[in-house]
Amino acid sequence: EAQVTQNPRYLITVTGKKLTVTCSQNMNHEYMSWYRQDPGLGLRQIYYSMNVEVTDKGDVPEGYKVSRKEKRNFPLILESPSPNQTSLYFCASSLSLADLRFFGPGTRLTVL
Amino acid sequence: QKEVEQNSGPLSVPEGAIASLNCTYSDRGSQSFFWYRQYSGKSPELIMSIYSNGDKEDGRFTAQLNKASQYVSLLIRDSQPSDSATYLCAVKGYSTLTFGKGTMLLVSP
Repeated sequence: EAQVTQNPRYLITVTGKKLTVTCSQNMNHEYMSWYRQDPGLGLRQIYYSMNVEVTDKGDVPEGYKVSRKEKRNFPLILESPSPNQTSLYFCASSLSLADLRFFGPGTRLTVL
Repeated sequence: QKEVEQNSGPLSVPEGAIASLNCTYSDRGSQSFFWYRQYSGKSPELIMSIYSNGDKEDGRFTAQLNKASQYVSLLIRDSQPSDSATYLCAVKGYSTLTFGKGTMLLVSP
């Protein structure tokens, strides 16, 4: 089954404790992206990757890192999480940006 | 900063009516436009894409694009309670997709 998986689905952590949210797709897609969604602010792009080893900042990259060492995986790293990173995070992938239809199920992160 | 604007709603319509959702965008050079549906707590689902001026129909959904007015709309005919969701407008840039904040649609039986 074609899908994007994210782990964990839910996470409660404390300020400053490094964490990684994994994202994996099984469709051989070139393009992958991370979004965060907050009430009243909509979906905002954090980072995206056009291909392996190619990543770039989106609209809200501060406090986040990503890597794309292999095509299927695009982990999101929070080196020192803060409460303002409490949000719902979505990973997405597609063959091209013109068809961004595969979203992961979301990761709900709470930073205390 | 490219902007995509939507009325947050909620837009309330009775079952069987036509729901009309609107979106404006700031980048006059944008060429590709998308509508997503998102149920509460779920991931967005792509329902329509449109690239040319005019109307594009897919089942009960019609997307309308007017590039001169920088305006995109989504019509949902014969609205059903299962259509109750937040609808996100998105505009494609060179390497990113910019989303509006979404319009909540409520369809009452």
